[in-house]
Amino acid sequence: DSGVTQTPKHLITATGQRVTLRCSPRSGDLSVYWYQQSLDQGLQFLIQYYNGEERAKGNILERFSAQQFPDLHSELNLSSLELGDSALYFCASSSGDRSYEQYFGPGTRLTVT
Amino acid sequence: GEDVEQSLFLSVREGDSSVINCTYTDSSSTYLYWYKQEPGAGLQLLTYIFSNMDMKQDQRLTVLLNKKDKHLSLRIADTQTGDSAIYFCAETLYNQGGKLIFGQGTELSVKP
Repeated sequence: DSGVTQTPKHLITATGQRVTLRCSPRSGDLSVYWYQQSLDQGLQFLIQYYNGEERAKGNILERFSAQQFPDLHSELNLSSLELGDSALYFCASSSGDRSYEQYFGPGTRLTVT
Repeated sequence: GEDVEQSLFLSVREGDSSVINCTYTDSSSTYLYWYKQEPGAGLQLLTYIFSNMDMKQDQRLTVLLNKKDKHLSLRIADTQTGDSAIYFCAETLYNQGGKLIFGQGTELSVKP
């Protein structure tokens, strides 16, 4: 158990819908990262927040957005969902903004039908 | 560019050593990592090495880094069936925050 929690574990929704994925980092960690894992793209970095501020951005679609709240939990919002958005979404956390130890949560499996 | 490459499959016998290889292209790597993913699970951080080191040993795991050839390897000694999983090589780059760039993963199969 890494100490990073993600909810929900599984999510099934229809095309065009909007969903919110939630992540709670390990106690004391200030950075939260979001990654997408799919069969065709592999593991891709989406975005990083550090203490509430956006720190780094990857290949995140405009339909996707994230934020980190004052209690340090984070939410990833996915809207206008397409079939190709079906993937595992992982959250990770680390203590600093460039910490070399990132700990991953168990992931949220999103299925878009 | 940012590119991390791994071979896709490796099969070994229980008790043998496994060597999983990885190559990367960007010379501004700061840290290089090995993560393990078991079926239906998240990624577990196994070990990491700073880019100015050549080797790191941690119990059954040995990481070798050849910076000139941009080649990273993970050796697992006395491989067990419980080591069967997908192993991901990853890097972080200077001035890109904590963004991890992953390889495609190597599926390790350990036969009894």
